[in-house]
Amino acid sequence: DGGITQSPKYLFRKEGQNVTLSCEQNLNHDAMYWYRQDPGQGLRLIYYSQIVNDFQKGDIAEGYSVSREKKESFPLTVTSAQKNPTAFYLCASSIAGEQFFGPGTRLTVL
Amino acid sequence: GENVEQHPSTLSVQEGDSAVIKCTYSDSASNYFPWYKQELGKRPQLIIDIRSNVGEKKDQRIAVTLNKTAKHFSLHITETQPEDSAVYFCAASKGGGGSNYKLTFGKGTLLTVNP
Repeated sequence: DGGITQSPKYLFRKEGQNVTLSCEQNLNHDAMYWYRQDPGQGLRLIYYSQIVNDFQKGDIAEGYSVSREKKESFPLTVTSAQKNPTAFYLCASSIAGEQFFGPGTRLTVL
Repeated sequence: GENVEQHPSTLSVQEGDSAVIKCTYSDSASNYFPWYKQELGKRPQLIIDIRSNVGEKKDQRIAVTLNKTAKHFSLHITETQPEDSAVYFCAASKGGGGSNYKLTFGKGTLLTVNP
């Protein structure tokens, strides 16, 4: 649990602005993930990365971008192209399949 | 791609009763099936998982069963307690490396245990 941190906990954005969500882990995990959670929708995969300098689109990547320059960090940018960005965003990292989640960032677009 | 269906979406039981949540998956190559518990406003936490080489796994009051032929798996909670109240998610993955680290989640079950 404590090995994955996300910041900020709450984030407010005006329409048309890009915003970046931070995710850091000190578990030495190779793989990292970003999910979006909406009420009644479960967790939907946005992007994932299995190794530094490589990442793949998930099921709902449109309007989002990521980078993986360091093993410990996997920031997510929510761009103005994302039509409905208000949601709870969860970052995770994994080893041998088991995923460990960060505490989440709640993004609200005003 | 993989599709995971989870039922029921809400479940209300009396304290001490058992609760069962069921999931089906579509990809016969999936071989790793975790269950996560998420309390209100908190992060999901793994409570139990099962791999396709076994049919059942238990951990105290929690058990998971897997039927590979029918492509479904279930979470069983016995002697439920109020602190079991949460949203439970099932997931499926091919596991084992490469793009197979991806988990596909069900939509969740809100379990309420009434004292």
